[in-house]
Amino acid sequence: AQSVTQPDIHITVSEGASLELRCNYSYGATPYLFWYVQSPGQGLQLLLKYFSGDTLVQGIKGFEAEFKRSQSSFNLRKPSVHWSDAAEYFCAVGPYNQAGTALIFGKGTTLSVSS
Amino acid sequence: NAGVTQTPKFQVLKTGQSMTLQCAQDMNHNSMYWYRQDPGMGLRLIYYSASEGTTDKGEVPNGYNVSRLNKREFSLRLESAAPSQTSVYFCASRPGTGNNQPQHFGDGTRLSIL
Repeated sequence: AQSVTQPDIHITVSEGASLELRCNYSYGATPYLFWYVQSPGQGLQLLLKYFSGDTLVQGIKGFEAEFKRSQSSFNLRKPSVHWSDAAEYFCAVGPYNQAGTALIFGKGTTLSVSS
Repeated sequence: NAGVTQTPKFQVLKTGQSMTLQCAQDMNHNSMYWYRQDPGMGLRLIYYSASEGTTDKGEVPNGYNVSRLNKREFSLRLESAAPSQTSVYFCASRPGTGNNQPQHFGDGTRLSIL
């Protein structure tokens, strides 16, 4: 069965430091890949998505993600974290040959930003 | 742009009471979804509707029913609420059934069952 693993439940980063959130997927073929962010008390907002082509994708709010087929990973990065980035981040996959199903979400990584 | 609107935002129920959570989207999307979010569990799919007139079970459908009232609206009903259904419920929609399409989320309904 398809699955998404976010190995880090909680990460704390100093403001201005770089950030990398990990995401690994288990699937027989390259799925469609997404990162969402959820601020406290809010719904999920799409940060970026990967379908094919260039393995480094740019998103909103200065985030980027790199797809690595050999590692089945889609890690989210930001060069310099701001206090407003504190939130919960979800990686999601969409199996490309199963139209009509829903995205599969990881369990999330909570990001805290220290001053 | 309203996007996906969920009502109510908060609700407290007693065990055994019934409740319908409402969801409406104004983006002319065909597919709609209901998830629940619990600490440490991420988002788990309850039911989804790939298109108007169809509904399908997701990962955790027990204790819930859904109605795709029209293209805009997709409601979730708890017939006899249980404390295990205390959760945050999210509705989402997307244009069609292709998994290359991101889902758009509402702000959630925070439901407590005593």
